[in-house]
This record gives sequence, structure tokens and C-alpha cells, in this order.
Amino acid sequence: QKEVEQDPGPLSVPEGAIVSLNCTYSNSAFQYFMWYRQYSRKGPELLMYTYSSGNKEDGRFTAQVDKSSKYISLFIRDSQPSDSATYLCAMPRDTGFQKLVFGTGTRLLVSP
Amino acid sequence: NAGVTQTPKFQVLKTGQSMTLQCAQDMNHEYMSWYRQDPGMGLRLIHYSVGAGITDQGEVPNGYNVSRSTTEDFPLRLLSAAPSQTSVYFCASSYSYARKSSYNSPLHFGNGTRLTVT
Repeated sequence: QKEVEQDPGPLSVPEGAIVSLNCTYSNSAFQYFMWYRQYSRKGPELLMYTYSSGNKEDGRFTAQVDKSSKYISLFIRDSQPSDSATYLCAMPRDTGFQKLVFGTGTRLLVSP
Repeated sequence: NAGVTQTPKFQVLKTGQSMTLQCAQDMNHEYMSWYRQDPGMGLRLIHYSVGAGITDQGEVPNGYNVSRSTTEDFPLRLLSAAPSQTSVYFCASSYSYARKSSYNSPLHFGNGTRLTVT
């Protein structure tokens, strides 16, 4: 069983839709939960992160963590074609944001 | 600022050949690392370094060698390329946890080297 599972997609939505991206994980020691965005032929870039359970909002993006279910989500409101990318969840193995365990990524396509 | 620069962007090798993937950063980051990205596997950590002269293994180090002689550079060497090493390789850097809270210092990734081994 992989430590972090993520549906690879692709997930296709029309512009303006609300998008829900999800990951499950098996390691209960994970404390920080991160979302990276990766455009085609580019490196990942950190979108946002949360600590422990709860919600965190940043503009059109909301990250949600449910540690009891080992389930994390990223919601994108009013999705735009520029949001078309692969979204990767990631968790640090230990103190610091450096040794990360990544999900496989979900490819999102937002059509105009 | 150039950020994290990886060269080459693309490379084709024959089985058994050796090569070095270059990575340089201009952000004075102590921490540098190499990941490989494969379909269905996600990004996996190969090797990392917390500063010049210090390196350590990640999850998938076999077949790869690293050294860190300067803060700026962290080359990844393939000693004898195998088809299983066909992948996209990403270098990443950040401030170290020892210097400042790395929870505010995310990994900065380069744009990758696409390697095919035939």
C-alpha cells in the first residue's frame, strides 16, 4: 500500500465549476499537509499547506484535512482555464518541509 | 534570480553509459535534493544534502551518486544507466530547518531533466 494515494484523473470541468481534489494517506505521523501545482513540463510549486486537522483558505483555494479519516482535500472555487495543471499532495516525513512523500498527482483540465 | 536551474533539459542515453545531471541554485539555500517522477509513482526522493560536504540517501538511491562541494551546486551522477532510470528528474532546494523555520521555506523545484535510457 502506498503511503499517499491520489486519483490520477484526468478531471475535466467547465470554467467556473467548483473542483474537489483528494488524497488519502496511511501514515498517522504526518502532521503537515501540502498541495503542489505542476504545470506541464515544469517543476512543482507549493500552492498551500495546512497543519493538523481543519481548513485553510487562500483566495479561491481551500485546503481541508481530516486526520481521523486520513483524508485531505483541495477545493478550487470559480475554476479558471489557468488552473489546468496536475495537483500533487505531499507530506513531510519529518521536521521541516524537505523530505516529502508525494501522491501521484491529479490532472485537472478546466475548459473555457 | 534564476532560482533552481537544471541542465540538460533532455537526454538520451544507452544502457551502461554514465552521465551527470547538473543542478544549480542562486538563493543561498542550504538544503538541496533530487527527486525522480514516474507515471503512477509520484515524486520519489533520491538523495539530499543539508549543506556543502554533507549528503544522504533518500528512498531510491541505488544507481545514483551525489556530492556537494559548494552551496550552489548539487550534481546527480548516473554511474551505469539502466532503462529503469528512464524518468523525469527534479532538483529542489530550500533553507534548512536549522537556519530558519522551514515550514515557511518551501522546496523550490527546477523544471526537470527528461532522461530516456535505451
